[in-house]
Amino acid sequence: AQTVTQSQPEMSVQEAETVTLSCTYDTSESDYYLFWYKQPPSRQMILVIRQEAYKQQNATENRFSVNFQKAAKSFSLKISDSQLGDAAMYFCAYIREYGNKLVFGAGTILRVKS
Amino acid sequence: EPEVTQTPSHQVTQMGQEVILRCVPISNHLYFYWYRQILGQKVEFLVSFYNNEISEKSEIFDDQFSVERPDGSNFTLKIRSTKLEDSAMYFCASRTDRGTFTGELFFGEGSRLTVL
Repeated sequence: AQTVTQSQPEMSVQEAETVTLSCTYDTSESDYYLFWYKQPPSRQMILVIRQEAYKQQNATENRFSVNFQKAAKSFSLKISDSQLGDAAMYFCAYIREYGNKLVFGAGTILRVKS
Repeated sequence: EPEVTQTPSHQVTQMGQEVILRCVPISNHLYFYWYRQILGQKVEFLVSFYNNEISEKSEIFDDQFSVERPDGSNFTLKIRSTKLEDSAMYFCASRTDRGTFTGELFFGEGSRLTVL
């Protein structure tokens, strides 16, 4: 069974600084997709960034980028120029290609200090 | 922008009562899900639904739970006889995958269930 591990229950970052959230996963599949979802206090989970395993290039969305290391099964999220609105719970998630179920990690609470 | 909507946002019920949580997925989506998040904890998969039937369910989704798509737009989760441990946030999600598989799920804002 696929598992997703987020080893940092909580992280803090100063406004305008950079923070990296860690995620590792376990799978025997070669084709899959990885996601970072953000869950602010308003509760709804919002997609931050997606990475296809077949792509070597790391995904980037504005201030958000990932470091995808397929051999190491590692998928970290880097947030640059952190803003107060980035404060949220961040979930790493996995789905195999043509899979049915998205599997989540335990989440990392990110606090942003002004 | 299309979104997944859920009602109610918060429901308080007595142990043993039946609860129905409602969701309206995005209209052209084909796959529907319920996930559960006990306060501050992991988001857990409950069930997936495709082509008017359950495609996968977790160990949590026992006989007390059922899902239905009664009218082609709503997607409901019913808990027949609630227990204290059913207190959680329940998220509905949907995805399309017409054509290219993306795997991305679109989530609703959640329904908080409190069982007393």
